[in-house]
Amino acid sequence: IAGITQAPTSQILAAGRRMTLRCTQDMRHNAMYWYRQDLGLGLRLIHYSNTAGTTGKGEVPDGYSVSRANTDDFPLTLASAVPSQTSVYFCASSDRGGQGNEQFFGPGTRLTVL
Amino acid sequence: GQNIDQPTEMTATEGAIVQINCTYQTSGFNGLFWYQQHAGEAPTFLSYNVLDGLEEKGRFSSFLSRSKGYSYLLLKELQMKDSASYLCAVRGVDSWGKLQFGAGTQVVVTP
Repeated sequence: IAGITQAPTSQILAAGRRMTLRCTQDMRHNAMYWYRQDLGLGLRLIHYSNTAGTTGKGEVPDGYSVSRANTDDFPLTLASAVPSQTSVYFCASSDRGGQGNEQFFGPGTRLTVL
Repeated sequence: GQNIDQPTEMTATEGAIVQINCTYQTSGFNGLFWYQQHAGEAPTFLSYNVLDGLEEKGRFSSFLSRSKGYSYLLLKELQMKDSASYLCAVRGVDSWGKLQFGAGTQVVVTP
């Protein structure tokens, strides 16, 4: 593979269930990010990781958790899903987060919470 | 924090030119990005400006004025495939790699 992959492509989930969205990149990028995209609101940062072993909170972190055990993987977990978490979720990565390097985005996961 | 504004939608004719404006208010600035996003797809990188002036890449150009908190993306010789959403994103000095995105401008290209 080349780039970023996300799984699943789409998911319908009952409220209260736990769900993990997977993200894997093979570009050896240091920084990784999770965004949600909602109509009229654009992309909003949920959590980020500057390097393996570290994570930070973005603009809308409540209800979500992340881990960064290695360089390639950055899973996003919804501990107990709620309908307001219905959204399209994008994972992204960049080579060096503090420099001018652009972020590369995965294909997205469309999540519906009922 | 950062506040980023761009028009919601613009319509233009195939072969024409369209200019998408983006204004921002930030507590610090470390670069501005433009992304293109087709419906149902991921955003893809178009351009990056950190110094004042114009950056040209083929049919696309991006301009930045840091003193005015203003950028624009210029799309020339519009093609039907340019119909997409264009996202303006700003990086702050205290946000290690993090971007703040505008809501996006939907460009509709008509025959």
